[in-house]
Amino acid sequence: DQQVKQNSPSLSVQEGRISILNCDYTNSMFDYFLWYKKYPAEGPTFLISISSIKDKNEDGRFTVFLNKSAKHLSLHIVPSQPGDSAVYFCAASERGHSGNTPLVFGKGTRLSVIA
Amino acid sequence: SQTIHQWPATLVQPVGSPLSLECTVEGTSNPNLYWYRQAAGRGLQLLFYSVGIGQISSEVPQNLSASRPQDRQFILSSKKLLLSDSGFYLCAWSALGGEQFFGPGTRLTVL
Repeated sequence: DQQVKQNSPSLSVQEGRISILNCDYTNSMFDYFLWYKKYPAEGPTFLISISSIKDKNEDGRFTVFLNKSAKHLSLHIVPSQPGDSAVYFCAASERGHSGNTPLVFGKGTRLSVIA
Repeated sequence: SQTIHQWPATLVQPVGSPLSLECTVEGTSNPNLYWYRQAAGRGLQLLFYSVGIGQISSEVPQNLSASRPQDRQFILSSKKLLLSDSGFYLCAWSALGGEQFFGPGTRLTVL
């Protein structure tokens, strides 16, 4: 059973517009959520995270929103740039459990930003 | 600053041959270490993780194994590779409760 779901395998957005990537989770024990960006043939790079005590975290063009009641989080990129074209992975963990639980990843969403 | 190394970057192996992929981390002590596989068109599948020397947790039963002979060294092995073992293998580290940082990956093709 997939605990972290990214239901959109791909997304195309025009340069300058907002990109919204969505993620749903089923495990109510998850309390730490992250987004990673991955280019082909490279390891994922950490983008932004949010703890369950917050509902929003912003870093430059990237903002992550968390809706705990809906078990949903989203990543907003504004304005979108061609260099943002990559696969984005949502991940979650039970940080408050022991600090040692591995991240659970979604299957990723391929974002294409069209110039 | 911390860095994570993986080698080799690419590997082509025949079915039935052994495998050894190595991962080392610099600039941190007692990291949590992870091995993931990304098969074609799929997400990141956690294979093994380790919270200390000699401590390995396996997430998916398969013909792969992992070992942690030193604090900052993590090795992924197989005695006999299968075609289905082809994929992109990623090593990652994290501090306790922190985000994971990934290495550059190894592209394994089993023929």
